[in-house]
Amino acid sequence: EAQVTQNPRYLITVTGKKLTVTCSQNMNHEYMSWYRQDPGLGLRQIYYSMNVEVTDKGDVPEGYKVSRKEKRNFPLILESPSPNQTSLYFCASSPSPYEQYFGPGTRLTVT
Amino acid sequence: KQEVTQIPAALSVPEGENLVLNCSFTDSAIYNLQWFRQDPGKGLTSLLLIQSSQREQTSGRLNASLDKSSGRSTLYIAASQPGDSATYLCAVSPLEAGTALIFGKGTTLSVSS
Repeated sequence: EAQVTQNPRYLITVTGKKLTVTCSQNMNHEYMSWYRQDPGLGLRQIYYSMNVEVTDKGDVPEGYKVSRKEKRNFPLILESPSPNQTSLYFCASSPSPYEQYFGPGTRLTVT
Repeated sequence: KQEVTQIPAALSVPEGENLVLNCSFTDSAIYNLQWFRQDPGKGLTSLLLIQSSQREQTSGRLNASLDKSSGRSTLYIAASQPGDSATYLCAVSPLEAGTALIFGKGTTLSVSS
């Protein structure tokens, strides 16, 4: 089954404790991206990648890192999480930048 | 800067009604427009994608139209059902490759039985 998977789905952590949210797709898509969704602000792109070893900042990249060492994986790294990074995070992949298939989401709470 | 607006923010209808959700965007230079459905706390499901050269797309009881020149799209839901209750998001894809999808804030639909 074609899908985008994210792990974990739910995470509660404390300020400053490094964490990684994994994202994996089995559709051989070149384009992958991360979004965060916040009430009243909608979905905003954090980072995207157009291929292996090619990543670029989206609209809200501060406090996040990504890597794309393999085509199928695009982890999101929070080196020192802060409460303002409490959000619902979505990974997406697509064969082109123009349409995207979203994962199920990761709800992160930073206390 | 592209902005996407969805009106109304919330809508409540009785089962069986036909309804229209509206989406407007400020820059007509788009590659395509997508409508998504999001259930509470869940991921996004793509409902319909309309290429910039198309006028409408249909899937079952859903019909989406696109008027690029006026910066508008509508999602028509026929014979609404309680299972249609969800938040509906509109997103446009700018022409520039790699640029993020620009989302509206959504319309939350509640269909009562």
